[in-house]
Amino acid sequence: KNEVEQSPQNLTAQEGEFITINCSYSVGISALHWLQQHPGGGIVSLFMLSSGKKKHGRLIATINIQEKHSSLHITASHPRDSAVYICALSGGGADGLTFGKGTHLIIQP
Amino acid sequence: DGGITQSPKYLFRKEGQNVTLSCEQNLNHDAMYWYRQDPGQGLRLIYYSQIVNDFQKGDIAEGYSVSREKKESFPLTVTSAQKNPTAFYLCASSSGQVGDQPQHFGDGTRLSIL
Repeated sequence: KNEVEQSPQNLTAQEGEFITINCSYSVGISALHWLQQHPGGGIVSLFMLSSGKKKHGRLIATINIQEKHSSLHITASHPRDSAVYICALSGGGADGLTFGKGTHLIIQP
Repeated sequence: DGGITQSPKYLFRKEGQNVTLSCEQNLNHDAMYWYRQDPGQGLRLIYYSQIVNDFQKGDIAEGYSVSREKKESFPLTVTSAQKNPTAFYLCASSSGQVGDQPQHFGDGTRLSIL
């Protein structure tokens, strides 16, 4: 079974800072997902990627398949970015995702 | 707007009682999933269904049951056999296999024991 490690577990930063969250895994995958969980519990899918880099607004996700590593970056961070960010893996089958434990991000004004 | 609706938002279970969590989607997705989230742990897969009238056990299916009689609906029953049901339950769907398509999530149901 694929092991997913996220770092850091907790991150507090000031508004405007550049944020990086990392995700490493042990076994080859078909795709990696970055998800955002708000304080109420609902989850939003931010990115799904299998190679290279994707950008959406102030969010950037990269993946290095050879190194089995992905990063999520937030530029010009804002308090509304405060949430839990979750890395999840799919192995190409039909049986759902394997999730990391999440990174709890707090952006202070 | 298309999406996934979970109900209720909060649910309380008495000892020996079965409770059912509702999940409805109007995204016309074939695949649906139930996950459980405990504090400090990643989400874990309970059951999934790729098509109507078919479903498969996930990693932690013991003490749970599901049905998939309609494409839009995938209810989860937490039975009395589940000895530690207190958790946050999330339903998700996707239009294809999770390696090809992103998952869409509901807002969750928080289950507690009375």
